[in-house]
Amino acid sequence: GAVVSQHPSWVICKSGTSVKIECRSLDFQATTMFWYRQFPKQSLMLMATSNEGSKATYEQGVEKDKFLINHASLTLSTLTVTSAHPEDSSFYICSAPSGAGGSNTGELFFGEGSRLTVL
Amino acid sequence: DAKTTQPPSMDCAEGRAANLPCNHSTISGNEYVYWYRQIHSQGPQYIIHGLKNNETNEMASLIITEDRKSSTLILPHATLRDTAVYYCIVRVSGGSNYKLTFGKGTLLTVNP
Repeated sequence: GAVVSQHPSWVICKSGTSVKIECRSLDFQATTMFWYRQFPKQSLMLMATSNEGSKATYEQGVEKDKFLINHASLTLSTLTVTSAHPEDSSFYICSAPSGAGGSNTGELFFGEGSRLTVL
Repeated sequence: DAKTTQPPSMDCAEGRAANLPCNHSTISGNEYVYWYRQIHSQGPQYIIHGLKNNETNEMASLIITEDRKSSTLILPHATLRDTAVYYCIVRVSGGSNYKLTFGKGTLLTVNP
């Protein structure tokens, strides 16, 4: 099946620094990708929808200037956490619909997740 | 998207069938039932989805009641690796809006 890959899988940074997380669709093209955040023992919360060639759409309450999303190509979306603080420590997960071969089942493929720890 | 209700946790013995229920009483005619699972510290994994007919694949079976107000995910022979949080999600299939809204799900613990 379709594969979505994230990098890095975990990262530790100092407060105030910026961290970039990459999300790649390895065997299909994704005009749309979704970024989720998951705090410990909680469910996934959608942060934003990344659209290739246009601005991302952010969910209510998510700061677009803090969480910069760039969807530069049909296989790559990046999430940059700017000026990270300890409260930004979380599990960040991206996903993309396959849509391969004209399929339109609504199935989403998820990356392995990136665990960010801000000291 | 319609709201779903799932028990917070369930236990199952290894090798036995795991039956995970989901209520979606406000589901509308064009909404599908999707099931995903999330093993600890991993991204979610698609399991199965259906509209009104029962569905089966290599991972599981999905039984949807005739009135479509509830469904059951069946793992026929649960293994320890099936321990995960299982999410039941109702939404319109395909189109330009693929985003999924996750509830709290059911933590299934498979015991040896």
